[in-house]
Amino acid sequence: DAKTTQPNSMESNEEEPVHLPCNHSTISGTDYIHWYRQLPSQGPEYVIHGLTSNVNNRMASLAIAEDRKSSTLILHRATLRDAAVYYCILTRVYNQGGKLIFGQGTELSVKP
Amino acid sequence: DSGVTQTPKHLITATGQRVTLRCSPRSGDLSVYWYQQSLDQGLQFLIQYYNGEERAKGNILERFSAQQFPDLHSELNLSSLELGDSALYFCASSTNPLGISYNGKQFFGPGTRLTVL
Repeated sequence: DAKTTQPNSMESNEEEPVHLPCNHSTISGTDYIHWYRQLPSQGPEYVIHGLTSNVNNRMASLAIAEDRKSSTLILHRATLRDAAVYYCILTRVYNQGGKLIFGQGTELSVKP
Repeated sequence: DSGVTQTPKHLITATGQRVTLRCSPRSGDLSVYWYQQSLDQGLQFLIQYYNGEERAKGNILERFSAQQFPDLHSELNLSSLELGDSALYFCASSTNPLGISYNGKQFFGPGTRLTVL
């Protein structure tokens, strides 16, 4: 399974944008890039995923580097509810059925 | 609410015992995944079932087994329990984890907290 590298923790102020980086230099052509988050005392929650192009949804945006060796999750206006551990995960769908291999993630704290 | 239900919410048992954790996927989801979250190991993938058949296996111990029934609910059986098996066990489901219909989303249940004393 291809590995991802994320900072252990980041801090943000409420209502400011947050850019969460992820490095995945050994990504293969069939790996999807996923982001999940886990709020305190809850199960993980899907945030966004992409393959090659940038993606937007109501929760966040995903910016993927041209060489696909890194990506950035963008929360446009952080709220206190966004404080969570964010996981960047590569998933090889065709061969491995989409299982998620979680790393340590980035713990995001949001200050009022 | 993800639509995935897990029972029980909490389970306290003794070493050497056997327990069964139950998961009901979202309506229409064919695939079920089991994950274990402990303080020292983080979130680990255990096993995946798709429409009743085992699809992928992760770091699942031989003392653990799972199955998916015709109604698509799944059970994770943990036997000869040890102190180190104390953890949160999550079940997740997805619509179609394969090929061109893949939509990237797994929906997680609230988890079962297992405490082995």
